[in-house]
Parts: sequence; C-alpha cells; structure tokens
Amino acid sequence: GAVVSQHPSWVICKSGTSVKIECRSLDFQATTMFWYRQFPKQSLMLMATSNEGSKATYEQGVEKDKFLINHASLTLSTLTVTSAHPEDSSFYICSARDPFGGQGVSTDTQYFGPGTRLTVL
Amino acid sequence: TQLLEQSPQFLSIQEGENLTVYCNSSSVFSSLQWYRQEPGEGPVLLVTVVTGGEVKKLKRLTFQFGDARKDSSLHITAAQPGDTGLYLCAGRGYGQNFVFGPGTRLSVLP
Repeated sequence: GAVVSQHPSWVICKSGTSVKIECRSLDFQATTMFWYRQFPKQSLMLMATSNEGSKATYEQGVEKDKFLINHASLTLSTLTVTSAHPEDSSFYICSARDPFGGQGVSTDTQYFGPGTRLTVL
Repeated sequence: TQLLEQSPQFLSIQEGENLTVYCNSSSVFSSLQWYRQEPGEGPVLLVTVVTGGEVKKLKRLTFQFGDARKDSSLHITAAQPGDTGLYLCAGRGYGQNFVFGPGTRLSVLP
C-alpha cells in the first residue's frame, strides 16, 4: 500500500525558533497533501490543504504566516512553524491523496504519515 | 460547515464482548471513512463507504453507511485487546475536504 513518511518524528525547540516538518509520499505522486494538528486526546483538525505548484489553502483560523506550507514537488510538502511558542506544541500529521487511486482504492483515500510531535519549551 | 458527532466518547469493555460505535451528522456525505489511531501514530484507514445503506465487513468489523448518508456505525464482534485505539470517522461533502469526528476511544481489557 501507499506509504507516507514524516520527518522528524519528534522535535523539541525553544520558544521563538522555527521548525520545519517534512511530509513525503514514498511510492506515489501526491498532487494534494493535507496538514492536520491533533491535541492530546482530541481529534484531527485540518490546518491546510497543500497543492503542488500552487499556494496552500488554509482553514479558517489558521495563520498562514505562522504555518508556512511549501509543496515543491509531487512527493514532498513541508510545514514550517515560524516563531514557535509553547501553545504550538502539538502532534502534527500530514496525509497525501493518490490522485489515481488504484485497484479497489478510491481517489478519496488519504494515506497518513506517522506524525511529528512538536514540543516548544 | 459539516459537523460530525461520535458516540460513545469513551468505551471500556472486556475481551470477547461486542460493541457498536456511532458517527452522526446533519449533513449528507458523498463518502465516509473510518480510521483507527494508536497513540503517537497517524490514523490508519479501515474502510470507505460511499453508497447509502452500504455494509462492509473487515474480519470482525462491520461498517454500515446510513440510507440517507448522514450517519454510520462500526460494530466489532468479539473484541480483542488489539482493537484498542481511537476510532475516528471522517465525512466528505460534495467537493469538500474530509472532516473528522471527535473520535471514540476504545479500551479492550484482557
């Protein structure tokens, strides 16, 4: 099946620094990737939709200047948390959609990465 | 904005018991998915349902999509400790992104 990786799996940083998280589709090309954040014991909240070759679409309430998204290739999207603060500490998860699906696989299917745990001190 | 509700929020049962969790909305979905997520990991897709009234089975798991495509249920037969996790439903309206429900946290005790 399709595999999505994230790097790093966890990161601890000081307040005020910027952190970059990578999301890669390993065996398929993803024209669309999604970035979510998840607080402890809560569900996933969609932050933004990342489209290859164009600007990301941010959900209401998500600061685009704070959460920079770059989808530079069909297999890589990056999320940069700029000037991170303790309230940005969360579990960040990306997903990728295979535009061609596959045998028995809907193009609706999102493949999730393993997540990145960010802790801002 | 589509809102999804899931019930129960928490469920703790003994190994071997059966259980059903529910996903409800006032919105109609073009497709609905169920995921299971374990701590510190990303969600793993269990099933996608697209047709009203559709029933899908995955070993001991049975998924049903409501006739009106506004709700869904997940039934687990003879639960095992390995079924423990956060069960998330996600619905997609026509031309929209998937929206996730708050999840049902299941604990199966040996």
